[in-house]
Amino acid sequence: NAGVTQTPKFRILKIGQSMTLQCTQDMNHNYMYWYRQDPGMGLKLIYYSVGAGITDKGEVPNGYNVSRSTTEDFPLRLELAAPSQTSVYFCASVLGETQYFGPGTRLLVL
Amino acid sequence: KQEVTQIPAALSVPEGENLVLNCSFTDSAIYNLQWFRQDPGKGLTSLLLIQSSQREQTSGRLNASLDKSSGRSTLYIAASQPGDSATYLCAGGYGNQFYFGTGTSLTVIP
Repeated sequence: NAGVTQTPKFRILKIGQSMTLQCTQDMNHNYMYWYRQDPGMGLKLIYYSVGAGITDKGEVPNGYNVSRSTTEDFPLRLELAAPSQTSVYFCASVLGETQYFGPGTRLLVL
Repeated sequence: KQEVTQIPAALSVPEGENLVLNCSFTDSAIYNLQWFRQDPGKGLTSLLLIQSSQREQTSGRLNASLDKSSGRSTLYIAASQPGDSATYLCAGGYGNQFYFGTGTSLTVIP
């Protein structure tokens, strides 16, 4: 039982490039979340999903897209990377009301 | 808009001292309040979850309380140890979404 896994751990992007942050959980949780954490700040919700095929926007969705084709996977897509998207990205899944977090992906956009 | 605040941003205490971390939220229609621990460069680990119908939860040396009427939650750590040094974040759950505070960075001095 690996819990929530995220890849890559670290990535440098050039402005305008695109990439997909991967998130996988093996706990069969229906609810999954994507957050970003800027230095010295709390986590801000980007997108979330309550089950396969269902996604919804959070507090800061602009510049991002998600899909949820399976229960296990919840990838986050950046289409046109901007310096403002430099952050640490966390994926989480929820059982009941308890959140379980992945280790994070550190993204630097230059 | 839901807002969650944590004061102070940083706290240093000598080993063995009891301490209280504070979390405030603006919307009393909270579903639950969760406390997390975050070590540098790591993801978040859930410590305690308090349902809206509960007043407190305990786990070992940790005790969390919730007062919806005053919009406050506290995390009490008894007999602090250097291993407790980390950033502690609280998150208010509202429906399917969670709103995080900016965290309190705790240093326990041996």
